Amino acid sequence: EAGVTQSPTHLIKTRGQQATLRCSPISGHTSVYWYQQALGLGLQFLLWYDEGEERNRGNFPPRFSGRQFPNYSSELNVNALELEDSALYLCASSLGGQYNQPQHFGDGTRLSIL
Amino acid sequence: DAKTTQPPSMDCAEGRAANLPCNHSTISGNEYVYWYRQIHSQGPQYIIHGLKNNETNEMASLIITEDRKSSTLILPHATLRDTAVYYCIVRKGGYGGSQGNLIFGKGTKLSVKP
Repeated sequence: EAGVTQSPTHLIKTRGQQATLRCSPISGHTSVYWYQQALGLGLQFLLWYDEGEERNRGNFPPRFSGRQFPNYSSELNVNALELEDSALYLCASSLGGQYNQPQHFGDGTRLSIL
Repeated sequence: DAKTTQPPSMDCAEGRAANLPCNHSTISGNEYVYWYRQIHSQGPQYIIHGLKNNETNEMASLIITEDRKSSTLILPHATLRDTAVYYCIVRKGGYGGSQGNLIFGKGTKLSVKP
């Protein structure tokens, strides 16, 4: 069974640009979660999508946005990039709805802002 | 979700059992205990989860005290590849609603030594 896949593996941008990160969940999973792991700050929850709808959002500014497509894959968009957006962005998927289903993570996209 | 407390670091000899403790004294009746680990530069890996009964899978065993205020993750025969940061997370069960994301603390850095 294929795991969660994320692309690209690495992404280099400059301040003010826009970045798009992509995630394909495990087959059959309808929920997709996005997390940010900045150096020294630990994993912070960004966004949760289930059945195409945004279900919850972490404490991040509106320039962090995303969407979930009909095939349950997801995109994270970060506009007006700032230096502190440099981080590992992790996507996780789970069977939707029930909270006793574990989330399974991809290996992330490392975003570097120059 | 209830807060968890873990020791910042632990050492274990290769081939010996690694016992990682976690305190979650404010856990409520419908909250599950989850364990994940993160090996450097990879996404978190799901290990095991449980509600009140002890659980075992191919990776580890989870022992939850009767009052559910603490738990122990046991890796029965630690190898060098088990060196990682281990996260204990408490998460509500149930279905629906606006929650679902995991809240990661700092975890325990386990070093397995030859």
